[in-house]
Amino acid sequence: GDSVTQMEGPVTLSEEAFLTINCTYTATGYPSLFWYVQYPGEGLQLLLKATKADDKGSNKGFEATYRKETTSFHLEKGSVQVSDSAVYFCALSHQGAQKLVFGQGTRLTINP
Amino acid sequence: DADVTQTPRNRITKTGKRIMLECSQTKGHDRMYWYRQDPGLGLRLIYYSFDVKDINKGEISDGYSVSRQAQAKFSLSLESAIPNQTALYFCATSDPSRGLDYGYTFGSGTRLTVV
Repeated sequence: GDSVTQMEGPVTLSEEAFLTINCTYTATGYPSLFWYVQYPGEGLQLLLKATKADDKGSNKGFEATYRKETTSFHLEKGSVQVSDSAVYFCALSHQGAQKLVFGQGTRLTINP
Repeated sequence: DADVTQTPRNRITKTGKRIMLECSQTKGHDRMYWYRQDPGLGLRLIYYSFDVKDINKGEISDGYSVSRQAQAKFSLSLESAIPNQTALYFCATSDPSRGLDYGYTFGSGTRLTVV
């Protein structure tokens, strides 16, 4: 079945550092790929998405590119802020299924 | 008010007790889901419902049951709670007309502890 694997956390960085959170997936066909963010005490929010190969999703300074050849969707940000501290989830879905499959989540802490 | 409201926010219960977690939504979405979040395991799907008369098991439905009382309400029950059901539970809705991101909206979660 479909699955998503994220780099293990927790990840701790200093403010203004460069961020990469790795995500790889296993799926048949051409799934849509997502990054969700969970701030403390809140539910998940969609951060960005990509629906076909080579698409780049972006939002709030974060970017991720759908790489079918490497089955990856790594999350990047050039300069992180304390307010980016959260748990980040990579996920996939097939159009017909309409069910999200999540990775295990990566906790990110940014120190001032 | 939140689009997806879960009650209670926190609950401690004893092993063997029956407990119900409730979810209500004002999004007008037909599709609703219950997920469970455990550290290091991400979110796993328990049950989902594509309309009031449709209930489907997810990947970890054993020990759980659900009821879709109305389009806006989807409840999750633990008939006889056990300690390994201690987790953070999320309700979500989606809208197929939104395209491939489906407009998923999550509640703020219910933290359940079974002692």
